[in-house]
Amino acid sequence: SQQGEEDPQALSIQEGENATMNCSYKTSINNLQWYRQNSGRGLVHLILIRSNEREKHSGRLRVTLDTSKKSSSLLITASRAADTASYFCATGLIQGAQKLVFGQGTRLTINP
Amino acid sequence: DAGVTQSPTHLIKTRGQQVTLRCSPKSGHDTVSWYQQALGQGPQFIFQYYEEEERQRGNFPDRFSGHQFPNYSSELNVNALLLGDSALYLCASSFMTSNPDTQYFGPGTRLTVL
Repeated sequence: SQQGEEDPQALSIQEGENATMNCSYKTSINNLQWYRQNSGRGLVHLILIRSNEREKHSGRLRVTLDTSKKSSSLLITASRAADTASYFCATGLIQGAQKLVFGQGTRLTINP
Repeated sequence: DAGVTQSPTHLIKTRGQQVTLRCSPKSGHDTVSWYQQALGQGPQFIFQYYEEEERQRGNFPDRFSGHQFPNYSSELNVNALLLGDSALYLCASSFMTSNPDTQYFGPGTRLTVL
């Protein structure tokens, strides 16, 4: 069963606009990670936020985490065509090497 | 520095057959995890190997088994294939004692069962 749910399931925006994706999860976590997947290929790690952090930035990416609401959001600013992909949140439940529990993903399309 | 590699890229099998998928972890990593991703779904955890032993297992039947070798590479074996086993199989590597754990994924093996 999936731990998290991404919202929306699909998002289509114009190049240059910002894209926001949300993720909700069910149990207490150690960390939450966001991954990108292009056309059914391997997952690319984007950013990890620990359970004691509230916000994290990496380039054009901004991730927030609200453990009280069991939710996270991923913001991609100034979107580019190359950002077209599926985005997944994954929760890590324990410290150390762990299994990741993924949501079903958000399909993002950037229109030129 | 090579990342995670998987072989083969694609594979077609028929129901009832057996399949072996292979994974080489990123240099310096000692832990390998396997995930199954059905079309349109998120990846689901199958199992994890560390020190040549299965350390954690997801909700998959015993038809799914694995192995880790002394060089940390790993195999995933699936017996008595079913149509529902058709999926992208992803391997991820990490370092057991890192906290938090960032897993690096390979490109995957696309398995089609006919």
